[in-house]
Amino acid sequence: DQQVKQNSPSLSVQEGRISILNCDYTNSMFDYFLWYKKYPAEGPTFLISISSIKDKNEDGRFTVFLNKSAKHLSLHIVPSQPGDSAVYFCAASEGGGSNYKLTFGKGTLLTVNP
Amino acid sequence: NAGVTQTPKFQVLKTGQSMTLQCAQDMNHNSMYWYRQDPGMGLRLIYYSASEGTTDKGEVPNGYNVSRLNKREFSLRLESAAPSQTSVYFCASSVLLSTEAFFGQGTRLTVV
Repeated sequence: DQQVKQNSPSLSVQEGRISILNCDYTNSMFDYFLWYKKYPAEGPTFLISISSIKDKNEDGRFTVFLNKSAKHLSLHIVPSQPGDSAVYFCAASEGGGSNYKLTFGKGTLLTVNP
Repeated sequence: NAGVTQTPKFQVLKTGQSMTLQCAQDMNHNSMYWYRQDPGMGLRLIYYSASEGTTDKGEVPNGYNVSRLNKREFSLRLESAAPSQTSVYFCASSVLLSTEAFFGQGTRLTVV
């Protein structure tokens, strides 16, 4: 039972255009959402996060949108750059303590073409 | 800045052999984790340690044991390696549980 779903295994965009990566979740107890970027042969690196009390968080070229009613979040990258080419993982958490769960999606491979 | 350091980076084991993957962080983080990444499966949590002295099972703990040696170090042990444990293993740490985690470079393990 996959609680965090990234339904697009891959996405290809042109340099300078917008990249939109999508993520759906099924667990209504998730209250914190994160995006990680992963280059080949490296560990994932934290990109941006959003709390369930917000619907948008922006950091430079990266913006995460959260639609709680739809249990959907998306990562927007504007403008996309070739260096953004990587696998992007969506992750969700339902809090710390004994109920800690940080659940990852399967990832989306983003390719930004020059 | 070292961050999270994992050793070794690569390892080949024969079925039934044992080994320990080492992980150390220098960020004074309280929580540490072990994940495995398999093709098409994303990252799955094996074990985690909320703080020094505590460990808990994650999503896929079978066949593994862990030790939180001190605040800096969290090791993962395979007592009797199986081909199904062929994977890339990532150690991570965070200030607290459920805050953003910082990952090591990974250990690519092959069990033949």
